[in-house]
Amino acid sequence: GQQVMQIPQYQHVQEGEDFTTYCNSSTTLSNIQWYKQRPGGHPVFLIQLVKSGEVKKQKRLTFQFGEAKKNSSLHITATQTTDVGTYFCAEQNSGGSNYKLTFGKGTLLTVNP
Amino acid sequence: DGGITQSPKYLFRKEGQNVTLSCEQNLNHDAMYWYRQDPGQGLRLIYYSQIVNDFQKGDIAEGYSVSREKKESFPLTVTSAQKNPTAFYLCASMRREGLGEQYFGPGTRLTVT
Repeated sequence: GQQVMQIPQYQHVQEGEDFTTYCNSSTTLSNIQWYKQRPGGHPVFLIQLVKSGEVKKQKRLTFQFGEAKKNSSLHITATQTTDVGTYFCAEQNSGGSNYKLTFGKGTLLTVNP
Repeated sequence: DGGITQSPKYLFRKEGQNVTLSCEQNLNHDAMYWYRQDPGQGLRLIYYSQIVNDFQKGDIAEGYSVSREKKESFPLTVTSAQKNPTAFYLCASMRREGLGEQYFGPGTRLTVT
């Protein structure tokens, strides 16, 4: 099935450093969603990007959707220990179904205080 | 409180036994999902249901079965035919109309020995 490739798989940073995770596809994405899963927890929706070139911000988090709608990124400025977790991108409407999400494998972020 | 409940949080079974995982939602969502999560593998879709009395196979349906007799409930049975059943199982739901986020339950960690 269609896949979204997410890199890096792991990222360890010092508190205060920036962090970026990337999501890439070989085909045009209909839209992208981002989720965060805290250790031992469940995924929680962060944001959805639909338009080409879209940029959305949530406090220290910046989400971008590429102009060609084949890639997306999540950037965290000045990481904090509360940012620890796995960040997943997911494409909706994968395989022609409006209800299916295809998730990337996630980026595990650890923050050293 | 509206949300999704999964029970139990931890489940232990002997190899060769079928086991049913519970998922209930009171969000009045039409669509419900079951995912399996293994370390480093992200979330993989097992089954999903868009409406009562209807469900579709996901990417890894072999060895699993579901039912959707009520809007609120979407139980997953892990059968003895599933070769590697030990995993973290997540249930999710989504509104039917348009694009939208998925809401996840807290998950059930199944261990089969």
